[in-house]
Amino acid sequence: EVQLVESGGDLVQPGGSLRLSCVVSGFTFRSYSMNWVRQAPGKGLEWVSYISSTIATTYYADSVKGRFTISRDNAKNSLFLQMNSLRAEDTAVYYCARGPRGYSYEAFDYWGHGALVTVSS
Amino acid sequence: NFMLTQPHSVSGSPGGTVTISCTRSSGRIADYYVQWSQQRPGSAPTTLFYGDKQRPSGVPTRFSASIDTSSNSASLTISGLTTEDEADYYCQSYDNGHPFVIFGGGTRLTVL
Repeated sequence: EVQLVESGGDLVQPGGSLRLSCVVSGFTFRSYSMNWVRQAPGKGLEWVSYISSTIATTYYADSVKGRFTISRDNAKNSLFLQMNSLRAEDTAVYYCARGPRGYSYEAFDYWGHGALVTVSS
Repeated sequence: NFMLTQPHSVSGSPGGTVTISCTRSSGRIADYYVQWSQQRPGSAPTTLFYGDKQRPSGVPTRFSASIDTSSNSASLTISGLTTEDEADYYCQSYDNGHPFVIFGGGTRLTVL
């Protein structure tokens, strides 16, 4: 069974940093691209970042470029999102999502349950 | 950049059928894969279709997806409605430029 489990969500002050993790199981992690998607309270979905299976390629939404860094450890079946210079508008539930075989950022087939990040003083 | 426009809400009766549209503002809808996801209240999204019509295992066949090039839109049709179908539905597509992935604003389905 494919599982994606996020952790690391917390309350953080504006300007602070936080690192989210997504540990996966049930599939060969190193063979799949991965994404982060977020959802502000009461709002729709917003794509945040993408990383290829080989780690060679990363992409970011304009809203987080230069502040967030996506990475992965294929040996530990783990995806990460390092978030720096956090703003109130970064408050959201953050989901990790897997890209199906043969796709890059065009599609997601499995999603995690989400981790809540709250940026507030 | 482009936008994906969905109706804010739709409703249907138990056993009935509804269709949710997703209109792309620029760029040909058929040139870029469309994905549909379901998000029940208080839950994470789940994928109904990716790559236009690829259905993950476990998605019932009463869900179907299509593309209409004349209106530059995609559609999700749900037949045999049940109260379990009450959820938000999101379409998603992408651009080879930036910001790569765009979601529609979501459509709230109510089964009355």
